Amino acid sequence: GQQLNQSPQSMFIQEGEDVSMNCTSSSIFNTWLWYKQDPGEGPVLLIALYKAGELTSNGRLTAQFGITRKDSFLNISASIPSDVGIYFCAGHSGTPSGGSNYKLTFGKGTLLTVNP
Amino acid sequence: DGGITQSPKYLFRKEGQNVTLSCEQNLNHDAMYWYRQDPGQGLRLIYYSQIVNDFQKGDIAEGYSVSREKKESFPLTVTSAQKNPTAFYLCASSDRRGQPQHFGDGTRLSIL
Repeated sequence: GQQLNQSPQSMFIQEGEDVSMNCTSSSIFNTWLWYKQDPGEGPVLLIALYKAGELTSNGRLTAQFGITRKDSFLNISASIPSDVGIYFCAGHSGTPSGGSNYKLTFGKGTLLTVNP
Repeated sequence: DGGITQSPKYLFRKEGQNVTLSCEQNLNHDAMYWYRQDPGQGLRLIYYSQIVNDFQKGDIAEGYSVSREKKESFPLTVTSAQKNPTAFYLCASSDRRGQPQHFGDGTRLSIL
């Protein structure tokens, strides 16, 4: 089946630093998603990417859909303490126009700790 | 406000007991999903449903059952056949045309 390798597994940074994390897939995806999960809560969608090469920003967050369709990265600029949490990448190979499979495959997450 | 409501937040199960986790959404989404999350792991799909009265097994369906009698509701039963049920359970929903999944706040199940 499809697998996602997410790295790094964890990061410890100082407030104000930039952060980068990425995901690579063993197969092609048509959609890449990035989620953040706070302790004891459900994941919250940060950014959705639908097109190879697409670069999308959401405030201090920027994510890109790799040209090969097998990878994606997420950058966080000027980190703040509330950025702490687990960041998950996810992808699926379904297409919006058809009734195909929309099951998401998730990475194992990157645990981010920000020291004030 | 539109969203996904999971209840209860915490649940305890005795050995040999079935328990049911509730998931309700008012987003008018066709598709609903159940995931299991263990520490240090990604989310693993238990069951999903793309339309009322229809559902499919995910990657780890053994020991679980679901029903989809109404569009807004997708309850998950953890049966006594699930030998390692302690985990964080997450429900999600999405529009059937491939829009991103949105999650509830989860139910943490523990064994007494």
